[in-house]
Amino acid sequence: AQSVTQLGSHVSVSEGALVLLRCNYSSSVPPYLFWYVQYPNQGLQLLLKYTTGATLVKGINGFEAEFKKSETSFHLTKPSAHMSDAAEYFCAVSDRRNNDMRFGAGTRLTVKP
Amino acid sequence: DAGVIQSPRHEVTEMGQEVTLRCKPISGHNSLFWYRQTMMRGLELLIYFNNNVPIDDSGMPEDRFSAKMPNASFSTLKIQPSEPRDSAVYFCASRGNSGGSYEQYFGPGTRLTVT
Repeated sequence: AQSVTQLGSHVSVSEGALVLLRCNYSSSVPPYLFWYVQYPNQGLQLLLKYTTGATLVKGINGFEAEFKKSETSFHLTKPSAHMSDAAEYFCAVSDRRNNDMRFGAGTRLTVKP
Repeated sequence: DAGVIQSPRHEVTEMGQEVTLRCKPISGHNSLFWYRQTMMRGLELLIYFNNNVPIDDSGMPEDRFSAKMPNASFSTLKIQPSEPRDSAVYFCASRGNSGGSYEQYFGPGTRLTVT
């Protein structure tokens, strides 16, 4: 069964600074990987996904993530944080064979002015 | 596309009462998921359906919880009787299984408070 570990339940950065949210996965088969964002009192919204092909994937709001098989990682980055990026971010892994999607515990991003 | 629709958005009820949460998936999606989110346990998958058939209900906490999907456009999650520990945000999500699309689309959630 697949699983996801998000390192750091809280990350705080200054506005304009680099955002790096870490995600490591475990899967016995090639995975599908996702990042979701959740703003207060809202549902989860897809930021980006990796299924096949290019390992560097770009998403909405200037975020991107790189699939590194050798490191079993799928870290989320954004070059310059904006106040509006403050939210909770979830990494998820899905098995290609079925519908099972596993979410990480989430990382709350705070952006300081 | 209206997205996944959930109702009600907020529900406050007393312990022992029956609670029914409703979900309308995105048209054309044939997989539907119910999740529960709490501070203590994070996001938990309760049950999911493929083509209206329950596939995995191993996440349903106990017999007080039941879920149905009578047709492709409607699902319910029922808690009877409700208890204070059921207080959480319940999300419904749907997914299409064609065209290489594997992501789930989430509804806005129902915030349940059991007093």
